[in-house]
Amino acid sequence: EAGVVQSPRYKIIEKKQPVAFWCNPISGHNTLYWYRQNLGQGPELLIRYENEEAVDDSQLPKDRFSAERLKGVDSTLKIQPAELGDSAVYLCASSVQGQGHSPLHFGNGTRLTVT
Amino acid sequence: GENVEQHPSTLSVQEGDSAVIKCTYSDSASNYFPWYKQELGKRPQLIIDIRSNVGEKKDQRIAVTLNKTAKHFSLHITETQPEDSAVYFCAASSGGSYIPTFGRGTSLIVHP
Repeated sequence: EAGVVQSPRYKIIEKKQPVAFWCNPISGHNTLYWYRQNLGQGPELLIRYENEEAVDDSQLPKDRFSAERLKGVDSTLKIQPAELGDSAVYLCASSVQGQGHSPLHFGNGTRLTVT
Repeated sequence: GENVEQHPSTLSVQEGDSAVIKCTYSDSASNYFPWYKQELGKRPQLIIDIRSNVGEKKDQRIAVTLNKTAKHFSLHITETQPEDSAVYFCAASSGGSYIPTFGRGTSLIVHP
């Protein structure tokens, strides 16, 4: 099966500019996650979707970050405007949750550099 | 919320030695504990997981142990090989959230 696909792979922008990341999860996976991974750290949750509903977005900085998951499949994560501290790897993951735990399948991530 | 502590941050071993990485968690409701391996520039990939109804699980050279009373779990790698070199992350999640909280990672270096 195809894995989680993310694009772009790398993005370099100047501060105050907008940026968007795209994620295509594994077919049939109802749960989609966006994590942020700073250098030398573990992934930190930004938002989790069950189908098209955002069920946990308490860690998403809503003043500048937004996300959507249209039709419960693909998802986009947007930052506007970007700040220097947003430089990180943004990881998308998907899984099938609801009847016991299932492991997360991660994409390759988008490495964002804000200058 | 859940808090996961992971030690050591760096582990250097000789090929053939064993490696042990330890994690503690804070939420007694956590019942699922996956371990991920992340090679440089690549995605985290699941290598083994354990649920709270068992105390130990083994898969070839990799084993994980869980002590629910003490709220800690460990990853054991035997007969390490250079290709085991990577960053390893532990995580914990509860049935109510399905959101793994990750540790800070352990950089394992296996010297040939």
